[in-house]
Formats: sequence, C-alpha cells, structure tokens
Amino acid sequence: DGGITQSPKYLFRKEGQNVTLSCEQNLNHDAMYWYRQDPGQGLRLIYYSQIVNDFQKGDIAEGYSVSREKKESFPLTVTSAQKNPTAFYLCASGTGTFMGQPQHFGDGTRLSIL
Amino acid sequence: RKEVEQDPGPFNVPEGATVAFNCTYSNSASQSFFWYRQDCRKEPKLLMSVYSSGNEDGRFTAQLNRASQYISLLIRDSKLSDSATYLCVVNEGNTPLVFGKGTRLSVIA
Repeated sequence: DGGITQSPKYLFRKEGQNVTLSCEQNLNHDAMYWYRQDPGQGLRLIYYSQIVNDFQKGDIAEGYSVSREKKESFPLTVTSAQKNPTAFYLCASGTGTFMGQPQHFGDGTRLSIL
Repeated sequence: RKEVEQDPGPFNVPEGATVAFNCTYSNSASQSFFWYRQDCRKEPKLLMSVYSSGNEDGRFTAQLNRASQYISLLIRDSKLSDSATYLCVVNEGNTPLVFGKGTRLSVIA
C-alpha cells in the first residue's frame, strides 16, 4: 500500500542531544512537509521541500534542520538548539510542486525530553 | 502569514443532530480549501475538498463563500464516530497550506 511512514512512533531525547525523525513516502509525491503540533494547538510548519535537493524554512525553523537527498525521504533533525522540543511531529506529502493540492500525513512521532 | 480562524468549540451535540462549523480566512487570493478531520492523538486526515460550487459527500456538505471569505462544514445526522477535531485548511497560492487550529466536536449518545 502507498503511504507515508514516520519512525519512530515515540522518541525520548536527553538534554543537549540531537535526534533525527524519519519520514519516507512511496506515493511519488514531489512536495514534503514537517509540522509540529503542541497539545490543544494547531499545526505549525517547520520546513518544506518542493523538490529534491531543495527545501525552505517554515514558520518555526529555528532549532531544526532537514535534508532532501531522495524524493522518498525527508528526515527532520531536532537539534540541541531547540529548547522546547516536546511535541507531536507530523510529516506530510503532496502531489506535484504546486502546493495547493491536499496533503497526506504520516501517523506522527511523539518526542519527549528525558 | 495570513490567518485562518475557527471557533475552537467544543460543540457538544446529541446523536442525530445537525451541526455546522464556519471558518474565516483573511487572504482574498486564497485558491484551495479543504476540511480535515483529526482524532485525538492521531494525524489529520483529508475529509473533503471545498469547491466554489460547494460539494456534498454523504452526510457532509462543504460550502465556500468567497465574498465573505468563509467556508463551512455541515454534518447531518451526527454519529458518535463523528467526534473529532475538524481543521479548516486554506491555500493562498504556491505556498504551503495554512491550517486553522480546529473545531472540536463531541457527539453525545
């Protein structure tokens, strides 16, 4: 089945540690996105990529980094510079490079601080 | 970034009731509109796209009012399984979708 796979489902980070969240899609979508959702809050855009080897900052990119070396993969690194990383992280993808198409989401990674 | 505003609710309705949500958007150049559903601690899932002519999918009807810059979602004959948060989503051109914070619906037996 086609879809978006995020891993791990739950992740714990120690203070000062970088962690990487995986996002893989086999939908042949060009565009991929990372969002953060805090309890009772809406989705906030961290980074997005419309095409391989290119990505753009979203609204809250500070403390995060991404890469897009392959069409299928868009990993997100939460760096030690992100002081409040505890949240629900959602990866999404969309058809074509026009971002007006609906997005499809993975089932998320919950990150917590130890 | 332009805003998408929703009443956070919660809307508590009995089974079988009809309930409607509105969502306002601030950018008159917005081009694409969607409703997503998000269950507690789950990812958002596309419920329906919203077309200029409106569209209906079973018990769900979505309408777009460009003049007043709002979209609506009507749910008829509410089921317990409709309990969720409904996200209004707007696209302003070739930029990422803008998500509202959602309206929480609780359908009560």
